[in-house]
Parts: sequence; structure tokens; C-alpha cells
Amino acid sequence: QKEVEQNSGPLSVPEGAIASLNCTYSDRGSQSFFWYRQYSGKSPELIMSIYSNGDKEDGRFTAQLNKASQYVSLLIRDSQPSDSATYLCAVIDNAGNNRKLIWGLGTSLAVNP
Amino acid sequence: KAGVTQTPRYLIKTRGQQVTLSCSPISGHRSVSWYQQTPGQGLQFLFEYFSETQRNKGNFPGRFSGRQFSNSRSEMNVSTLELGDSALYLCASSLPRTADGYTFGSGTRLTVV
Repeated sequence: QKEVEQNSGPLSVPEGAIASLNCTYSDRGSQSFFWYRQYSGKSPELIMSIYSNGDKEDGRFTAQLNKASQYVSLLIRDSQPSDSATYLCAVIDNAGNNRKLIWGLGTSLAVNP
Repeated sequence: KAGVTQTPRYLIKTRGQQVTLSCSPISGHRSVSWYQQTPGQGLQFLFEYFSETQRNKGNFPGRFSGRQFSNSRSEMNVSTLELGDSALYLCASSLPRTADGYTFGSGTRLTVV
């Protein structure tokens, strides 16, 4: 069974610090990777997608992908209290002709003022 | 541009009843996926519809069913409700065969008593 694993946390960082969130996946054939943010009581929202090995930066967010190690991470620079949320890692399962997202259980991040 | 609209937002039902949830995707999106989210299990894939056809199905019992209409709106139905069906039900829409992930609706919070 294909799996996506994340540390549940909570990960606690002080305001202004770098938060590092990690995700590993079991399907070596996966090609598309996503990070979603979910505030308590709200639905997930897409914050980053990454498809190639290396880093992808978008504002304070950097996604890092290492397909050989089956590892994807999200760095949040200059963390703000508003970044406090659960971060979900998702990987596309392309088995057969159908596509669906396989989700990790999420890492809870708390940014302390 | 309007987002993904799910109705109702909250629902309380008793065991044994049935329920129908509705999802209107972003205009132009023809793929609609449904997920169940619970604290212990995270996001679990229910099914995906594209052009009125179920394209993919998760590991849920037959009590969970869905359909998609010609305008891409989708409904999911749960019959003979059980206490364990209490969850946040999320609908996500996307362009077909895109790698850009999904946009989620606000969800329907179902409580079975």
C-alpha cells in the first residue's frame, strides 16, 4: 500500500525562525508532490507544488524534493504566528490510468510570538 | 472567480438515516474528488468523477456513493449512517489531467448521533 509519512508534531518554533517540515513517500514512481496548509476547522489550501529534484521557492516558502531518497520537505522562513496550522504532504498516485492524491496525516506547526 | 461550493456546511443526522452532500466545482473544472477527513485517519479518498463518470474509487463500503451531473456538479450520498461516518467531507475540483493539485471547498461537517 502506497504511503506518505509525516511527523505529527506539534512542531513549535519561535516567530522569525525557520520551520522545517518533512515528508517521505513509498512509491518510487511518484512524480508530483504538494504541500497544503489547513487551519483548524478549515479546508486544505495548496501552498506549493514541486515536480523536479531540487528546490522551489515561493516567497517565504521553499519546497525541496529528493526523489532518490523519496523525501520532500517544506521550509518556512521568517515564521509568523499566522503560519500556525497543520501542513499536509500529498503525492499523486498514477497507478493505472487514474490519478488520486495520497495524503500524509499532517504536521501541526505552532509559531510562538 | 467563484471557488468550490459545498452545501450544506453542517449537518446532524441520526444513525440509520441517509444524507446527500453537494459540490459545485470551479467553473471549467470537470474533475471532482471527494474525501473524508477524520482526526485519526486524515484525508481518505472516496471517489473521483470526470465527465459524469466515476473514474476512481477508494476503499469505502457501498453505503458511500456519488454521481456527477452534466454541469460538473457532484453529489455524494451516504446511506444507513453509522456513528463512525461523523467527519468532515471535502470536495475538490481540478482541471483534468493537470498536475497542479486540487482546490478544496469549505467542506460539510457531518455529525451522526
